[in-house]
Amino acid sequence: QQQVKQSPQSLIVQKGGISIINCAYENTAFDYFPWYQQFPGKGPALLIAIRPDVSEKKEGRFTISFNKSAKQFSLHIMDSQPGDSATYFCAASSGSNYKLTFGKGTLLTVNP
Amino acid sequence: ETGVTQSPTHLIKTRGQQVTLRCSSQSGHNTVSWYQQALGQGPQFIFQYYREEENGRGNFPPRFSGLQFPNYSSELNVNALELDDSALYLCASSLKGNGEKLFFGSGTQLSVL
Repeated sequence: QQQVKQSPQSLIVQKGGISIINCAYENTAFDYFPWYQQFPGKGPALLIAIRPDVSEKKEGRFTISFNKSAKQFSLHIMDSQPGDSATYFCAASSGSNYKLTFGKGTLLTVNP
Repeated sequence: ETGVTQSPTHLIKTRGQQVTLRCSSQSGHNTVSWYQQALGQGPQFIFQYYREEENGRGNFPPRFSGLQFPNYSSELNVNALELDDSALYLCASSLKGNGEKLFFGSGTQLSVL
């Protein structure tokens, strides 16, 4: 059972464009929703995260939009740069042990 | 760099063998989690250790076991290796009470032939 569904599987964007990655979850007990960025040969690195009490969170060029009623959340990367080319994972967790359930990932390619 | 170090970086084993993977957590972190990342997939939670005890486990069989030491470093042991165990094994450290901020190491790439 895939509890966090992520789309698209891959995404190609031109430099300066907006990258949008979407995730949907099933478990209503989830209360923490992070996005991770992973470069080849490296482990995932926390990019930005949100809790359900807010509908949007922005950090620099990265924004999470959260829709609790639809059980969906998305990552927007503004002014995408070639250095943003990486695999992005959404994730979710509940409770205090922070066991993360990850989506399958989106391979983002930003062309110069 | 996160300060989480894993060893070895790459490992090749044959089916039926046993393997031990090691992780040194970031300074000050007392919680260690292990994840398995198959090729083209997101990481899957194996288990978490806090104060040298298992503190939550994912859907993995008992042949996956772990240890946490007093200095908070950790080991992942896998017995009776199967071909499907081939994956990147990631260790993540965090501070209990602030566990939402996981810091991942670069992983150990395990190949089972």
